[in-house]
Amino acid sequence: AQKITQTQPGMFVQEKEAVTLDCTYDTSDPSYGLFWYKQPSSGEMIFLIYQGSYDQQNATEGRYSLNFQKARKSANLVISASQLGDSAMYFCAMREGYGNNRLAFGKGNQVVVIP
Amino acid sequence: EPEVTQTPSHQVTQMGQEVILRCVPISNHLYFYWYRQILGQKVEFLVSFYNNEISEKSEIFDDQFSVERPDGSNFTLKIRSTKLEDSAMYFCASNPGRSSYNEQFFGPGTRLTVL
Repeated sequence: AQKITQTQPGMFVQEKEAVTLDCTYDTSDPSYGLFWYKQPSSGEMIFLIYQGSYDQQNATEGRYSLNFQKARKSANLVISASQLGDSAMYFCAMREGYGNNRLAFGKGNQVVVIP
Repeated sequence: EPEVTQTPSHQVTQMGQEVILRCVPISNHLYFYWYRQILGQKVEFLVSFYNNEISEKSEIFDDQFSVERPDGSNFTLKIRSTKLEDSAMYFCASNPGRSSYNEQFFGPGTRLTVL
């Protein structure tokens, strides 16, 4: 069964606009962590933001924020004020249990920012 | 800022040949990982390594794969007899292993092409 689901097709977003990338997850473990990574065309994986299952507040990192809805098992990434350099694949990932376990990735969301 | 490094950036090999992919994790990190990403697909976990032994492996990590930490800095992935379907980007990652939240820092990847 899929642990992480990202189903949106490729998205085009106007520069300076906000974009929301959907991610739903499936786990029965009460302790887990949710991550978003950015993969530009050059191929490297860049960490963006983290949300722990027990965190009360939604995580924010600069222009990135995570809309964490625990009851719905969703962890959507919001990128505000999009820039041309935000064009990339974005992957949602989950770690179940303790901090050193494997990450399970979704299939990714393609974002293209247009001027 | 410390980073995970990987060599080579691109490796081309003939089917049936052995390859060794090399990684230098961040120096004070305790947990090391290999992931792979077949072109256009999601990132998949292969193996995690702690205290000089495998702590977890996926069903992909069969007898053709092995990992080693031959010295205090390198972490290697060996594929004994490569198959066409081993063609992928291979990512090494490490994490500090000292808290319940542990971001996995990814290297830039090695693109393996099996002909």
